[in-house]
Amino acid sequence: AQRVTQPEKLLSVFKGAPVELKCNYSYSGSPELFWYVQYSRQRLQLLLRHISRESIKGFTADLNKGETSFHLKKPFAQEEDSAMYYCALSHDYKLSFGAGTTVTVRA
Amino acid sequence: GAGVSQSPSNKVTEKGKDVELRCDPISGHTALYWYRQSLGQGLEFLIYFQGNSAPDKSGLPSDRFSAERTGGSVSTLTIQRTQQEDSAVYLCASSLPGIGEAFFGQGTRLTVV
Repeated sequence: AQRVTQPEKLLSVFKGAPVELKCNYSYSGSPELFWYVQYSRQRLQLLLRHISRESIKGFTADLNKGETSFHLKKPFAQEEDSAMYYCALSHDYKLSFGAGTTVTVRA
Repeated sequence: GAGVSQSPSNKVTEKGKDVELRCDPISGHTALYWYRQSLGQGLEFLIYFQGNSAPDKSGLPSDRFSAERTGGSVSTLTIQRTQQEDSAVYLCASSLPGIGEAFFGQGTRLTVV
């Protein structure tokens, strides 16, 4: 059963515009959710996790249990935000990833 | 080094040959994961090792795939009789117990021709 859904494979925005990456999950327990990012020619790395409730590089993500969502947002996109973003759910000591969203920020 | 190390970085093999992919996790990380990253498919879980417990092999796609972890450290993913659909980037990650942040290697790009 698919646990993490990222409906957008590609997202293109202009520099300075807001960007939102959607993530929905299915899990019966108390979810632990993450966003991972992969910049060009770099390894996959953690961007943020919901339990820390912090803003990293201007990105925030709020867990909405009612909508089972964990969307990633940034009010003003920068060119260096161009990357592949993965939403992930921790369950049974495993990480299940979504299909990923490629974000391109245009000047 | 301080990070997760994978070798080789790239591997081209002929269909039907066996390949071995290696992962050196971060020292002290008892949890180790293998994932497969295919274009448009996201990250597919393959196998999970935690300390001396039996590995979770539920993600291995066929019996041609196997993995072992020696001494609780280095892990080897073996693919027997490779097929073209095995072409992908194979990622290894390690973490402390109870999964918080998983640290990924740079991956091995496997091409089966």
